[in-house]
Amino acid sequence: QVQLVESGGGVVQPGRSLRLSCAASGFTFSRFGMHWVRQAPGKGLEWVAVISYDGSDKYYADSVRGRFTISRDNSKNTLYLQMNSLRVEETAVYYCAKDGAGQVALDYWGQGTLVTVSS
Amino acid sequence: QSALTQPASVSGSPGQSITISCTGTSSDVGGYNYVSWYQQYPGKAPKLMIYDVSNRPSGVSNRFSGSKSGITASLTISGLRAEDEADYYCSSYASGSTRVFGGGTKLTVL
Repeated sequence: QVQLVESGGGVVQPGRSLRLSCAASGFTFSRFGMHWVRQAPGKGLEWVAVISYDGSDKYYADSVRGRFTISRDNSKNTLYLQMNSLRVEETAVYYCAKDGAGQVALDYWGQGTLVTVSS
Repeated sequence: QSALTQPASVSGSPGQSITISCTGTSSDVGGYNYVSWYQQYPGKAPKLMIYDVSNRPSGVSNRFSGSKSGITASLTISGLRAEDEADYYCSSYASGSTRVFGGGTKLTVL
């Protein structure tokens, strides 16, 4: 069965960096686009970034473009999110999610990892 | 990349039907047939309920249905059950190969 397991969350000071990872299993990772989506405490979902199946195409939300970098290592079945210049308002649970097969939707989600930006 | 507009809350009694709307623009909902809907329980990850406007993934009850007209998409839940009480989010593919979510709707089953 499909499993997505995020890690790397924690407490970080404003302006600092953090890298999240998402370990994938149960499907052919190298064939699917992958996303990061975040959810601030008590708030709604916010799409962050997407990377194509082979890593050649990457797209970002305006709010993170230039500070966050999405990447993947298909040999390790792992998705990454490098977050630089973090802001207090980016405190959130960060989810990784998989593109559906033949559909434009996120069909499987991880359980999320909490990032807290605080001094 | 403005969020899609959803009502903050809707409610209904068991057995009734409810509809949640999701309004965007011609650059997202109105421009593509790529609206999806997600169900989220407190403290849990979202679950895909509808994709490509009106398609249900395997295992999702046929009580859930989706539609779209112009820049507004809708999720309808018929035969409401207590277990349907959750937050619901719409999402759309948007220009620039991005995605956008709605602000979410809290469904209360009375």
